[in-house]
Amino acid sequence: DQQVKQNSPSLSVQEGRISILNCDYTNSMFDYFLWYKKYPAEGPTFLISISSIKDKNEDGRFTVFLNKSAKHLSLHIVPSQPGDSAVYFCAATTRGANNLFFGTGTRLTVIP
Amino acid sequence: DTAVSQTPKYLVTQMGNDKSIKCEQNLGHDTMYWYKQDSKKFLKIMFSYNNKELIINETVPNRFSPKSPDKAHLNLHINSLELGDSAVYFCASSQETLNYGYTFGSGTRLTVV
Repeated sequence: DQQVKQNSPSLSVQEGRISILNCDYTNSMFDYFLWYKKYPAEGPTFLISISSIKDKNEDGRFTVFLNKSAKHLSLHIVPSQPGDSAVYFCAATTRGANNLFFGTGTRLTVIP
Repeated sequence: DTAVSQTPKYLVTQMGNDKSIKCEQNLGHDTMYWYKQDSKKFLKIMFSYNNKELIINETVPNRFSPKSPDKAHLNLHINSLELGDSAVYFCASSQETLNYGYTFGSGTRLTVV
């Protein structure tokens, strides 16, 4: 039973435009959410996170938005750069639990 | 200086064999994990160790056995390999409070033929 879902397997965006990656979750006990970025032949790398007490967290070009009522979060990248081309995984957990539930990833391609 | 290192990076082996994947972290983290990414790209936890103690053991066949000689190492032993074991296996580590998520190794692609 997949508790974290990324329904778009791929996304293409022009360089300089905004990339929006979406993620939905089903478990209302999740209270901490993370985005990971993965390049080919490498492990996922932590990108940005958000606690359920917030609805937005920003770090440079990356912003994560959380809509608890909709059980939805999104990652915005602006402006998008070719180096952002990678697979992005959404993950969720309950604080104190040593287990992350991952989505299946969205492959972002930023076209120069 | 790699934070979480796994060896080997690629492993091709025949059905029925026994193999091991090694993982080491030099971050001083308390918790280590093994995740499996299957053909559908679904990353799912297999095991979690905290200070050499098993704290999570998801429903995986008992052919899979983690071994943690110390808190910097978590090795994965797989007995009697099956075709369905083919996947990418990721080792990871984290601080116990999970503030910044995991630091992952680069993965081991296991192919069972």
